[in-house]
Amino acid sequence: DGGITQSPKYLFRKEGQNVTLSCEQNLNHDAMYWYRQDPGQGLRLIYYSQIVNDFQKGDIAEGYSVSREKKESFPLTVTSAQKNPTAFYLCASSIFANEKLFFGSGTQLSVL
Amino acid sequence: GQQLNQSPQSMFIQEGEDVSMNCTSSSIFNTWLWYKQDPGEGPVLLIALYKAGELTSNGRLTAQFGITRKDSFLNISASIPSDVGIYFCAGRGNYGGSQGNLIFGKGTKLSVKP
Repeated sequence: DGGITQSPKYLFRKEGQNVTLSCEQNLNHDAMYWYRQDPGQGLRLIYYSQIVNDFQKGDIAEGYSVSREKKESFPLTVTSAQKNPTAFYLCASSIFANEKLFFGSGTQLSVL
Repeated sequence: GQQLNQSPQSMFIQEGEDVSMNCTSSSIFNTWLWYKQDPGEGPVLLIALYKAGELTSNGRLTAQFGITRKDSFLNISASIPSDVGIYFCAGRGNYGGSQGNLIFGKGTKLSVKP
């Protein structure tokens, strides 16, 4: 069953802590994305990767970091520099850049 | 910068009613996508539009790519309770900077009329 898997579904961060959100896809898509969603808001792009070992900052990259060592995986680290991390985080992929996006089921990050 | 306005922000539906929502942008787009999101889940793609004037259906859903290339419309006919959720439009133009990445509207929340 092809798809995008995000884990965990819920995550709690203590002050000063870095946390990593997992995103795995078995769709053989080249491009992967991370979006942040706040209540009542549209999706805002954090980082995207069009190909393995390459990634670009989106509109709100500050306080976040990513890696793309494998085609299937695009983990997002929310660092302690992100002062307002509470949000719903969505990972997406597309067969290649500038194609339609398919989303995972999201991770809700909250601050303890 | 690029802006995308989606309206209405929210609406109430009664089973059997037709529903309409739209998105307008300040710039020309060459792709429009419509997604539906259920609470606590990721958005699911409903319809993709790639050509000005294009009209595409997916069951009871119909979407159109406006001929000005600055707007798009989504209609739901004969609504049912499972249509409840948040509908997002997303558009993409030929711009530099973010490599032509999608811009999302803020969503239209569909709820059942009390």
